[in-house]
Amino acid sequence: EAGVAQSPRYKIIEKRQSVAFWCNPISGHATLYWYQQILGQGPKLLIQFQNNGVVDDSQLPKDRFSAERLKGVDSTLKIQPAKLEDSAVYLCASSSQSGQGYEQYFGPGTRLTVT
Amino acid sequence: AQSVTQLDSHVSVSEGTPVLLRCNYSSSYSPSLFWYVQHPNKGLQLLLKYTSAATLVKGINGFEAEFKKSETSFHLTKPSAHMSDAAEYFCVVSIPGNTGKLIFGQGTTLQVKP
Repeated sequence: EAGVAQSPRYKIIEKRQSVAFWCNPISGHATLYWYQQILGQGPKLLIQFQNNGVVDDSQLPKDRFSAERLKGVDSTLKIQPAKLEDSAVYLCASSSQSGQGYEQYFGPGTRLTVT
Repeated sequence: AQSVTQLDSHVSVSEGTPVLLRCNYSSSYSPSLFWYVQHPNKGLQLLLKYTSAATLVKGINGFEAEFKKSETSFHLTKPSAHMSDAAEYFCVVSIPGNTGKLIFGQGTTLQVKP
């Protein structure tokens, strides 16, 4: 079974530029998550999708971050414009169902450096 | 509110000696708890999970954890460390309800010396 795929793996941009990350979850997984992991910290949830609907985006900085999952499969996360503090690893995860106790499967992440 | 506290940011052990990574949790409800491991430049991998069944949970690679409600703890142990265990370990609590939102601890870096 193929795992969660993410691209690109690394990205370096200047502040005020825009950037987009792509995620392909495990086949058949209805729930998709985007996390931000700042160096030295645990991942923090940015947004959760159930199929193509948003379940939780309370931690997403909506003035600069956006995400979509148009057909309930792949997802993109965009930052526009980027700030220095956005430097982090962006992790995508998926699970077969949402709810307490269900395992989330993580992709390798995209490491973003904003200069 | 749910939260986890990992009591050590860095643990160093010698190969072949026991490993203990400590985690305390705070939860208003019966929690689901996880341990994830993150090797450099790799994704997070589930080691084990507790979901109100047996309090002693066995995971992959010889790791296990014991849920102690009286102490609000969920410490991760392994009898004998291997060089390949060197990684970042996260204790995680799942939010009750139908979202499955995870709250991660700050992480513990495990160093294994030869």
